[in-house]
Amino acid sequence: DAKTTQPNSMESNEEEPVHLPCNHSTISGTDYIHWYRQLPSQGPEYVIHGLTSNVNNRMASLAIAEDRKSSTLILHRATLRDAAVYYCILRPMNRDDKIIFGKGTRLHILP
Amino acid sequence: DGGITQSPKYLFRKEGQNVTLSCEQNLNHDAMYWYRQDPGQGLRLIYYSQIVNDFQKGDIAEGYSVSREKKESFPLTVTSAQKNPTAFYLCASSIGGRGGNQPQHFGDGTRLSIL
Repeated sequence: DAKTTQPNSMESNEEEPVHLPCNHSTISGTDYIHWYRQLPSQGPEYVIHGLTSNVNNRMASLAIAEDRKSSTLILHRATLRDAAVYYCILRPMNRDDKIIFGKGTRLHILP
Repeated sequence: DGGITQSPKYLFRKEGQNVTLSCEQNLNHDAMYWYRQDPGQGLRLIYYSQIVNDFQKGDIAEGYSVSREKKESFPLTVTSAQKNPTAFYLCASSIGGRGGNQPQHFGDGTRLSIL
C-alpha cells in the first residue's frame, strides 16, 4: 500500500482558512485520496475524497496536484470545532477492505 | 438520522471473560468493519464483512470473533484468548462493492478496559 506523509501538527487562527498538506509520492493511478478527521474520544469522520480533479463539499475542499503526488485539504473558515487529528489516506480502486490510518496531523485552532 | 450505533460506550472485562460489543447501522450498507485503536496509534482492522452471513479476518483477528446474521448488525466478541484487549474499538460501514471510491462511516466507539 502506498504511504502518505503529513506534518505532525499545525496551528491556525479561528475564522481563517487552513491548508493541510499531504505527500503521497508513490501513489498509483488507481488510488483514491481520502481525508478523515478524528475528534478526541470519537470515531473518525469522513471529510472528502477524490481521484484526479479538485473536489468541494460542505465541509472542505480537496486540491490535488496535477501529478497526484501531493494533495491539500482546505478548511475555508476554521472554527474551534475543527480542532482534530486529520488523516490523509490512499484507497485502491479495486479494494473494499481496510483503511490504513497513519499518525495524521493534529490541528490546533487558536481563538 | 441514519448512522452507526455502538454500545456500550465503556466496557470492563474481567480475566477469563468473553465480552460482546454491539454495532448497529441503519444506513442500508452491505459492508461492515471492526477496527482497534491503541493510544496515539492508527486503526488496525480486526474483521470485516461485505455481505450477510460472510466475513473475513483482518490484520489482527486472533482472540476475536464476529457474526453477521443481519445486514444491520455486526457484533464483535472479545474472547479470553485476547491477552491485551484494552483499546478503543471502532465499527464502520460502507455501501460496499465500489472499492476505494466510497467512504467508510464510523460509530463513536467502545472503550474496553481490563479489571
